[in-house]
Amino acid sequence: DIQMTQSPSSLSASVGDRVTITCRASQDIRNDLGWWQQKPGKAPKRLIYEASNLHPGVLSRFSGSGSGRDFTLTITSLQPEDFATYFCLQYNSYPWTFGQGTTVEMK
Amino acid sequence: QLLESGGALVQPGGSLRLSCSVSGFSFSNYAFSWVRQAPGKGLEWVSAISDNGRSSHYADFVQGRFTISRDNSADTLYLQMTRLRVEDTALYYCAKDRRVVRGVTITFPDYWGQGTQVTVSS
Repeated sequence: DIQMTQSPSSLSASVGDRVTITCRASQDIRNDLGWWQQKPGKAPKRLIYEASNLHPGVLSRFSGSGSGRDFTLTITSLQPEDFATYFCLQYNSYPWTFGQGTTVEMK
Repeated sequence: QLLESGGALVQPGGSLRLSCSVSGFSFSNYAFSWVRQAPGKGLEWVSAISDNGRSSHYADFVQGRFTISRDNSADTLYLQMTRLRVEDTALYYCAKDRRVVRGVTITFPDYWGQGTQVTVSS
């Protein structure tokens, strides 16, 4: 199975900050990676597919980069509604595997 | 929209069938997955099924106990769970997987439901 290592597990930030979250795969997954935002009691919300493409309707302050093994989610100018948990998912092969999640908390 | 149902409190060794009702897009064009999240734990993929239902995949920990299926005429995905264990306790999500046409991926995993709670306890 492909292991996904996501870091950090949590971070504290302020509105307006730039936030960066990383995921590293245990093997080359090309760009078969997505990012989702999760809030308590809500369905995870799609953000990024194929490592760097925004799903329709996702605001441009979210961006993704990387390929192969190393991937990054960046939120420029953090907004109040962005405080949530973010996770990466590799869909290169089954079983899908996930990063452990990053909780973005208010400083 | 993806709407899961069927979660419940069940005793160890018991069975349960989860459903995921889909609306707003053409269900039969997409593969689907079930994913679970135990309390305080990370996300764990459970199973996937192809658009036509002919191909399925399972996590090692559910092999032989869970069966994924779909009814394209009813726009519904299922997960039949048998021989349930305490460690199967989790919130179970259905997730829209990719669409593949003639071997080419057209769309990528995106929408998830809100989940249905399965609790296995005596």
